Amino acid sequence: DIVMTQSPDSLAVSLGERATINCKSGQSVAHTSNNKNYLAWYQHKPGQPPKLLISWASNRESGVPDRFSGSGSGTDFTLTISSLQAEDVAVYYCQQYYGTPSITFGQGTRLEIK
Amino acid sequence: QVQLVQSGAEVKKPGSSVKVSCKASGGTFTTHAISWVRQAPGQGLQWMGRVIPFLNTGNNAQIFQGRVTLTADTSTNTAYMELSSLRSEDTAMYYCASYALEGLNEIYDSWGQGTLVTVSS
Repeated sequence: DIVMTQSPDSLAVSLGERATINCKSGQSVAHTSNNKNYLAWYQHKPGQPPKLLISWASNRESGVPDRFSGSGSGTDFTLTISSLQAEDVAVYYCQQYYGTPSITFGQGTRLEIK
Repeated sequence: QVQLVQSGAEVKKPGSSVKVSCKASGGTFTTHAISWVRQAPGQGLQWMGRVIPFLNTGNNAQIFQGRVTLTADTSTNTAYMELSSLRSEDTAMYYCASYALEGLNEIYDSWGQGTLVTVSS
C-alpha cells in the first residue's frame, strides 16, 4: 500500500491568514501515461461526512471557495487556504487513488483558529 | 450527483456481525461504484473496500480480508457492507462513498451520512 504522510498533525492559524497542509506519498502517484497526479483532498467536520475539495492534486471541485487550492506533483503535495475563515475549522485528509486495489488516506491534519 | 442514505446506528456484541446499507439515488449503479470507509474514535479515515455493481466485482482491504463482505443490489441501487467477528476495535463510524465508473478513479464526490457501529458487551 502507498503510505500517505501529512504534516503537521495539527495547525492553528489566525483568521484571514494562510494555512498550509502538506502531504507526502511513499511513492509517486503521478501516472506516466497521462502525467496526472492521483491525489485528492477532503475536508471533514464533526458530525458530517467528508467533503471532496480537490481532485487530481489541483482541480477544485465545483462550489468549493477559491481560497482553497492544491498543488504539487509526484510525491509532494500541498493544500493551501489563502485566507482562513471560521468555517474552515476541520480535519483535512489527502487521499491517493493511484495505487489500486488499495486506497489510502493521510492521517489527517486538524486545523484550528489561533 | 449521487445521493447516498445509510441505515441507522447499530449496537452489537463482540463476535457478532453487522450489516450496513447504503441506498443511492440521483444516479445508478450503471454509472457509479461504492467504496466503504470507516473512522474509529480519534482516528483517521480507513478504506475498507469497494464494490462495482455493474461489473459484479470488488476488492477488500487486506486488513479486513475474510471479515468484510461488500455486495450490491442493482435492482434497488443499494450497497451493503457486512462485517463479521466484531471486536471492540471495530467501533467506528462507517461511511459509504460513491465514485464514477468512468475512468474508475476513486474520487469520492458523494458520501453517505455515516452509520455508527458500537461493539460492546
